Amino acid sequence: EAGVAQSPRYKIIEKRQSVAFWCNPISGHATLYWYQQILGQGPKLLIQFQNNGVVDDSQLPKDRFSAERLKGVDSTLKIQPAKLEDSAVYLCASSSLDPEAFFGQGTRLTVV
Amino acid sequence: AQSVTQLGSHVSVSEGALVLLRCNYSSSVPPYLFWYVQYPNQGLQLLLKYTSAATLVKGINGFEAEFKKSETSFHLTKPSAHMSDAAEYFCAVSSEGTGGFKTIFGAGTRLFVKA
Repeated sequence: EAGVAQSPRYKIIEKRQSVAFWCNPISGHATLYWYQQILGQGPKLLIQFQNNGVVDDSQLPKDRFSAERLKGVDSTLKIQPAKLEDSAVYLCASSSLDPEAFFGQGTRLTVV
Repeated sequence: AQSVTQLGSHVSVSEGALVLLRCNYSSSVPPYLFWYVQYPNQGLQLLLKYTSAATLVKGINGFEAEFKKSETSFHLTKPSAHMSDAAEYFCAVSSEGTGGFKTIFGAGTRLFVKA
């Protein structure tokens, strides 16, 4: 079974630029999560999709972050404009009908 | 509301010694509990999970954890540490709500293993 795929693995951008991350979940997994993991901290949920609908985006900074999951499969997370404090690893995860989430390798974003 | 507290941001043990990583949780509903491990530049990998069956849960790589409802704890143990166990460990609590399960992670504990 193929795992959760994320790209790119690494990205360096200047502040105020925009960036987008892509995630392809495990086939058949209805739930998709985007987490932000700042160095030295645990993952923090940014947004959760059930199929192509948003079920929780309470911690997503909506003035600069956006995410979509068209067709209920892969997803894109965008930051525009980026700030220095957005430097983090962005983790995508997916799950089926139980709570066990499967994680991708993450995208490490550095904002300079 | 859910929360997870991991006691100790860093734990150091000698190779062959007991590993004990502490986790306490709060949840208003019966929780699902998890331990994940993260190696450098990698995503999170599931070590073990508690889903209301046996309170002593065995996972991969010789790790196990015991769910203690009275203490709201889910501590992770391994009888004998190996150098390859050096990594970051995260405890997580999950409960079902509208639109699926919501999972909250602790801040993590970095395990160092000395030769």
